[in-house]
Amino acid sequence: EAGVTQSPTHLIKTRGQQVTLRCSPISGHTSVYWYQQALGLGLQFLLWYDEGEERNRGNFPPRFSGRQFPNYSSELNVNALELEDSALYLCASSVGTGLQPQHFGDGTRLSIL
Amino acid sequence: GQQLNQSPQSMFIQEGEDVSMNCTSSSIFNTWLWYKQDPGEGPVLLIALYKAGELTSNGRLTAQFGITRKDSFLNISASIPSDVGIYFCAGRNTGVNYGGATNKLIFGTGTLLAVQP
Repeated sequence: EAGVTQSPTHLIKTRGQQVTLRCSPISGHTSVYWYQQALGLGLQFLLWYDEGEERNRGNFPPRFSGRQFPNYSSELNVNALELEDSALYLCASSVGTGLQPQHFGDGTRLSIL
Repeated sequence: GQQLNQSPQSMFIQEGEDVSMNCTSSSIFNTWLWYKQDPGEGPVLLIALYKAGELTSNGRLTAQFGITRKDSFLNISASIPSDVGIYFCAGRNTGVNYGGATNKLIFGTGTLLAVQP
């Protein structure tokens, strides 16, 4: 069974640009979560999507947004990139919204110059 | 952002030694999870705990969900070189009864484990 897959693996952008990151959940998983892992700040919750709806978002500005598609894959969009957006962006998926644990992909490393 | 207190911050041990790390929170959780992250990879789930007082093992790993619901520990017995990595605890609340912020994982600050052969 394939795990959570994310693309691209690495990305370099400049300040002010926009970026789209992609995530495919484990087959059968309907919930997708996005986390940011920035140096010195640890893993921080960004967004949670389930059945195509945004269920919860973390303490991030509105320029961080996303969506979930009917096949449960998801995109994370970041507009007006800032230097502090440099981080590893991790996607996780789980079965529904119950007690099942979240399983992570290997992330997209975003570097802002 | 919110992070749980995890200790120790780092450990440098000899192969074969036992390891213990713990995680504390100021608020309660109804799920505790432990993950391991290797360089360049995402966190990999090690153990999930769902009930206060629960003690669960996965091979050489043992974790417990604290009775107060505010803490958890992870033990690794007879460490081997491939145990090297960063270990994270994570707490989670599911269901609308837990402050409305459901399902998101609150992570600990991480424990870096180095094992010398």
